[in-house]
Amino acid sequence: QKEVEQDPGPLSVPEGAIVSLNCTYSNSAFQYFMWYRQYSRKGPELLMYTYSSGNKEDGRFTAQVDKSSKYISLFIRDSQPSDSATYLCAMMTTDKLIFGTGTRLQVFP
Amino acid sequence: DAGVTQSPTHLIKTRGQQVTLRCSPKSGHDTVSWYQQALGQGPQFIFQYYEEEERQRGNFPDRFSGHQFPNYSSELNVNALLLGDSALYLCASTNSGGANTEAFFGQGTRLTVV
Repeated sequence: QKEVEQDPGPLSVPEGAIVSLNCTYSNSAFQYFMWYRQYSRKGPELLMYTYSSGNKEDGRFTAQVDKSSKYISLFIRDSQPSDSATYLCAMMTTDKLIFGTGTRLQVFP
Repeated sequence: DAGVTQSPTHLIKTRGQQVTLRCSPKSGHDTVSWYQQALGQGPQFIFQYYEEEERQRGNFPDRFSGHQFPNYSSELNVNALLLGDSALYLCASTNSGGANTEAFFGQGTRLTVV
């Protein structure tokens, strides 16, 4: 079993839709939970991180962590074509990042 | 601020050859980590360098080695290349005083082994 599981998609939604991206994990030692966005032919870019159960908002993005279920989510409100990218969840332990496989998202006009 | 810079951008090598990839960390950062991202997969941790020493290592064979220089820049070396080494190699830098939550990634080096 992989330490971090992520639905690879692809996910295709119309502009303005609410997008939900999800990951599950198995290692209780993970301390931080992150979401990265990766455009084609680019390196990952950090969107948000959190370390406790609950919600964290940043503009159109909301990160949610449920440590009891070992489940994290990223919600994107009012999605835009510029949000089209691969979204990677990542967990941090002992100063290294463990990534999910990434979910490809396409937002069409 | 140039951020994390990696060179070269693309590289094609033949099986059995050796390759060296380079990374300059973001200004003010002193810790460099390397990741391998195969097509359709998430990045996998290779190793981390701090104070010119390998501090942590992932599940990669000894064919993968690295170095960090006094100016904090780093190299990743891969010997005896295999077809399966074809991937995007990413460098991430952090400040040792901060957590990896502040890691910045470069654009990567796309390595193709033929």
